[in-house]
This record gives sequence, C-alpha cells and structure tokens, in this order.
Amino acid sequence: ETGVTQTPRHLVMGMTNKKSLKCEQHLGHNAMYWYKQSAKKPLELMFVYSLEERVENNSVPSRFSPECPNSSHLFLHLHTLQPEDSALYLCASSQDLLVNYGYTFGSGTRLTVV
Amino acid sequence: SQKIEQNSEALNIQEGKTATLTCNYTNYSPAYLQWYRQDPGRGPVFLLLIRENEKEKRKERLKVTFDTTLKQSLFHITASQPADSATYLCALDMIRGDKLIFGTGTRLQVFP
Repeated sequence: ETGVTQTPRHLVMGMTNKKSLKCEQHLGHNAMYWYKQSAKKPLELMFVYSLEERVENNSVPSRFSPECPNSSHLFLHLHTLQPEDSALYLCASSQDLLVNYGYTFGSGTRLTVV
Repeated sequence: SQKIEQNSEALNIQEGKTATLTCNYTNYSPAYLQWYRQDPGRGPVFLLLIRENEKEKRKERLKVTFDTTLKQSLFHITASQPADSATYLCALDMIRGDKLIFGTGTRLQVFP
C-alpha cells in the first residue's frame, strides 16, 4: 500500500447508473488530485483540491462531480457516464500544491461503462 | 501548445545493461521534473525529482539528468534487472511550481 487507498478497485456500471469512487490518505498531505488514465494517453488532470477547496477543474464534464469533505478523503461521483469514460481513475496526494515533492498515487479504480 | 514526448515504443534490453529513457518537452520552462514507475493495473510510484538548477540526480541504480537548453531529461537504470520491467513516466510542472502533467510513458522490458 502506498498510503493512498482507492475503492473500489474495479467498477462496471451502466450509462444510467450513479456510483462514487473513494480515495483516502493518512499521510498528512494537504493537496489531493483526480487523474484519468486512458490507454495510450498521458494521465489527464481532472480536479485539484487544496485544504478541502477545489482549486482546479480542467474542463471536466459535469457528469463527474468531485467532493472533498476533509483533507483525508476525496470522492468522485459519477452519473450518466458514456462508454468513452471507461478508464483507470487515479487519486493522488501531495504535501501541498507545489510540485517540489513527488505525488503519492493510489492503485486506481478500473472503470468500465457499458 | 505544450508537449511532453516520451518514446512510445517499448525499450527491450538485456539484464545487466544500462537502460536509458528519454523525455523531451516543448514550450515549457519547468522548475521541476519528476520520474515515476508504473506497473500494469497500478498507480504510478514516485522515483526521483530534479530541479532546473540541477544537472544530475542519483538514487541507488537510478540516474536522472536535466538539460534545460536541450529541453530534455534522460533517465538511466544501471545494472538493469527483470524486476525493473515497467512503464516509466516523466512529469513536469506546467505552470512553474504548479500543475504536474505527465508524458505517455515508455515501457521497459528487461530480459534475463
């Protein structure tokens, strides 16, 4: 375990379903991130939270809705997804927003939309 | 537009040799460059960070160079082992000190 835990590891959902991805870290980090990783594409930054406040939303469709109730937990709520949203969704944390430290990633949630 | 390029073709080398992976970037002036390792179905794992004013960084069998004139970083694994087989990602701060973005990665395969 890296210190960042993501659940579930795998998720299959229909296009009309609503589901949530969960991320938890107890590293004392102040920044948390959601990335999307599709085959043969670089990691795409989706959302950035610093001290529970959203500081970045990279033009992500509204069918993805993040929530950060405290500095240790991050959620990604999913509804009415499309098949092209199938990907590996990665949560990461870092000491703060400055990238002078490495990010700690979770193992990801493999999402399949059918 | 900003771009990070890593060789998309897999790098195959024999055990014991030195593996060298390349990361090129355009339209950036990053303050930091990071390298990560990713195994199939897992998240990336942070390996090394190098700052713009550092030419070289070492950690055990790993060495990273950072040439801001050439806009290139080289990542070396000496005395490579089959366990080093993985995809290696480079990452840069898109806005100086902020917003880490990644290349597509290069897959390394080390054969016994």
